Amino acid sequence: GAGVSQSPSNKVTEKGKDVELRCDPISGHTALYWYRQSLGQGLEFLIYFQGNSAPDKSGLPSDRFSAERTGGSVSTLTIQRTQQEDSAVYLCASSQINEQFFGPGTRLTVL
Amino acid sequence: QKEVEQDPGPLSVPEGAIVSLNCTYSNSAFQYFMWYRQYSRKGPELLMYTYSSGNKEDGRFTAQVDKSSKHISLFIRDSQPSDSATYLCAIKETSGSRLTFGEGTQLTVNP
Repeated sequence: GAGVSQSPSNKVTEKGKDVELRCDPISGHTALYWYRQSLGQGLEFLIYFQGNSAPDKSGLPSDRFSAERTGGSVSTLTIQRTQQEDSAVYLCASSQINEQFFGPGTRLTVL
Repeated sequence: QKEVEQDPGPLSVPEGAIVSLNCTYSNSAFQYFMWYRQYSRKGPELLMYTYSSGNKEDGRFTAQVDKSSKHISLFIRDSQPSDSATYLCAIKETSGSRLTFGEGTQLTVNP
């Protein structure tokens, strides 16, 4: 079956603009995660959705970051008023039980 | 102190060599252990997953967990140039929780 897909694959934006990143998880997976991968920072957790439960937002770095998951499937990560330090690869993963499967990521560049 | 420490590399070996990749962790609550492989500009790909101490083998790959010393390893036998990638250890506490990643070890297998 299809894996996790993300769009766009690349996004270049100007400082101060808002961006939206999309994730389509594997069909049937109830859990969805967002991570960020920066040079020298490794992979860091941002937010986690599980079914209809309230999301775990504890990894979001600031209130400029938000995410939603509609209908228990597709998720959108929104970054408002982007800053240069937001430049990174944003990765989405989904899981059914334990193993998390990652998408290809969105490479965000803030000029 | 980081929750997960990974040997940083980079590591360069000749084709056919046995490769050992290592991580240590500090939180005894961690229960699930994974190894991901990440090719350049791609998302992480799940290689191995285990939740108990001991060895788990899959083809040329063996994952080893020692909960008493809080140490995990990935061994690659008969390494191939196609194994050249960054290897990430990832650990989590419960079935639905976030992954905590090591910094990654970049491996190059030379033909």
